[in-house]
Amino acid sequence: GENVEQHPSTLSVQEGDSAVIKCTYSDSASNYFPWYKQELGKRPQLIIDIRSNVGEKKDQRIAVTLNKTAKHFSLHITETQPEDSAVYFCAASNNAGNMLTFGGGTRLMVKP
Amino acid sequence: DSGVTQTPKHLITATGQRVTLRCSPRSGDLSVYWYQQSLDQGLQFLIHYYNGEERAKGNILERFSAQQFPDLHSELNLSSLELGDSALYFCASSVSTHGSDEQYFGPGTRLTVT
Repeated sequence: GENVEQHPSTLSVQEGDSAVIKCTYSDSASNYFPWYKQELGKRPQLIIDIRSNVGEKKDQRIAVTLNKTAKHFSLHITETQPEDSAVYFCAASNNAGNMLTFGGGTRLMVKP
Repeated sequence: DSGVTQTPKHLITATGQRVTLRCSPRSGDLSVYWYQQSLDQGLQFLIHYYNGEERAKGNILERFSAQQFPDLHSELNLSSLELGDSALYFCASSVSTHGSDEQYFGPGTRLTVT
């Protein structure tokens, strides 16, 4: 089955700096890669996703890149703000899998 | 608010007991997924139902079972509970069965086994 590795497990940045979280996946059939943000005690919320037919996607301060050959994808957050502090999860799935396989999560702390 | 509802919010029970967690998907969504989130395991996929039928199973213990009813709500049954079953249980829903459909998560049920 699919295996998703996520790094780093914790990330501390100064407000205004950029943050990058990286994930690798094992199943070459995976074609959908969402990123979720989870605040303490709350539900995971989708913040951005990318499908395997594109290499990059942006939404304001957030961008995701995908390298299918290397089987890795990354989340980039620019101009970080204290409210970006949360746990971020990457995930992967394919049309046959009917399920998301999550990475282990990254705790992002943005210091004011 | 994702439109997915889960009850109860919190559940405290003893080892050996049985509990039922309930999930109502977003209006129009036919798929329901169950995930377990414990401190050391992250988010683990348990099971997926589509329009009343089981579609995929993940790392779900034999002591756990689920079903989806004709009105599309789903229940996750956990029996012979152990301390290690303490976790947050999320359900998520999506429109169909495609792996690339966005999944909307409910607020979760926090289960504490004492």
